[in-house]
Amino acid sequence: DVKVTQSSRYLVKRTGEKVFLECVQDMDHENMFWYRQDPGLGLRLIYFSYDVKMKEKGDIPEGYSVSREKKERFSLILESASTNQTSMYLCASRQGYGYTFGSGTRLTVV
Amino acid sequence: DQQVKQNSPSLSVQEGRISILNCDYTNSMFDYFLWYKKYPAEGPTFLISISSIKDKNEDGRFTVFLNKSAKHLSLHIVPSQPGDSAVYFCAASASVNYGGSQGNLIFGKGTKLSVKP
Repeated sequence: DVKVTQSSRYLVKRTGEKVFLECVQDMDHENMFWYRQDPGLGLRLIYFSYDVKMKEKGDIPEGYSVSREKKERFSLILESASTNQTSMYLCASRQGYGYTFGSGTRLTVV
Repeated sequence: DQQVKQNSPSLSVQEGRISILNCDYTNSMFDYFLWYKKYPAEGPTFLISISSIKDKNEDGRFTVFLNKSAKHLSLHIVPSQPGDSAVYFCAASASVNYGGSQGNLIFGKGTKLSVKP
């Protein structure tokens, strides 16, 4: 089974902090994604990557950046956390049509 | 502009009855469709999919129907069980490359299903 592991299930950070969310997949997938999920808004794509060091903006990239130095790891960075970034963050990797998601990180910015 | 629409934010069904979740799409280039199920505080998990060359795919209690002319698909759950209570996301994909996102899934906003005992 493909495994996508997100480093933290719950995080509480202060406004203005730099926040790193880590995601690791163990199946050598080329494509990886970061989404956020908010009630009534569904899954919104923040960034995706189709290869090491390659990244593409999704629908809502503002306030975020990403890093993919190794194929298995895709990091989401909140440069200066704000309260409107309180959300559930989901990482996924893709092989073929199907996505495998991690368990999610519930981030609260206070 | 939403390319994949789930117009019902929520649905409540009695245990044992049929649940029907609907999804509409606008992009005729979509050729593969998936349903994901999400419990609170967990990531979405794949449920069932269908290719555009088919009009029906069945897996146990779950059946997905595709009506290409209407650009509509539906997920049927029979019989519904309390453990089916979750948010269900419809997703679509195009095998052709457009905007550098070949094969990327486009998700609907989800429908929250509640199955009451």
